[in-house]
Amino acid sequence: LAKTTQPISMDSYEGQEVNITCSHNNIATNDYITWYQQFPSQGPRFIIQGYKTKVTNEVASLFIPADRKSSTLSLPRVSLSDTAVYYCLVGIDMRFGAGTRLTVKP
Amino acid sequence: KAGVTQTPRYLIKTRGQQVTLSCSPISGHRSVSWYQQTPGQGLQFLFEYFSETQRNKGNFPGRFSGRQFSNSRSEMNVSTLELGDSALYLCASSTGTAPISSYEQYFGPGTRLTVT
Repeated sequence: LAKTTQPISMDSYEGQEVNITCSHNNIATNDYITWYQQFPSQGPRFIIQGYKTKVTNEVASLFIPADRKSSTLSLPRVSLSDTAVYYCLVGIDMRFGAGTRLTVKP
Repeated sequence: KAGVTQTPRYLIKTRGQQVTLSCSPISGHRSVSWYQQTPGQGLQFLFEYFSETQRNKGNFPGRFSGRQFSNSRSEMNVSTLELGDSALYLCASSTGTAPISSYEQYFGPGTRLTVT
């Protein structure tokens, strides 16, 4: 079963690019990598999902190296409203990690 | 399209009682998953239902159970409540036609359960 490890917290400033890395050493062949964002008192919200290489959508990019043992969520030009907890999710057991608390400062 | 709805939003129960939480998925979604979120343990997967059948299960005691109806609506039941069951219970729905880890889940606002 895939276990994920993320930094507990990160700070950034408005307009900067933020990269959050998730380690998942025992990812299975069929596992996808999904990132969610959660604001206080709300349910998580889907950001992006990938299986290998790079995926980009209107809000983020996801980089996955060839060995798939880690992944990096990239948020371009963050704003104050991006302050939230970000979760990396891998595997069929739906194991959310502790999440990364991102704080964006003015 | 209406989002995932959960009722009630807040609930206070006494230790030893039982509770039933309800979740209405997004129209057309056949998969419903339940999660428990606490400050200490984070987000933990309880179980997933697809077409009225439990398809995946997390590592929770048998006091936690669920079911799904033919209209995809789902209920979660916790019997013999303990103080440690106080948490935010989240429901998520998806199309669910592929393995659970490969599809996007849409979460509801959650039910805040307090056990006293």
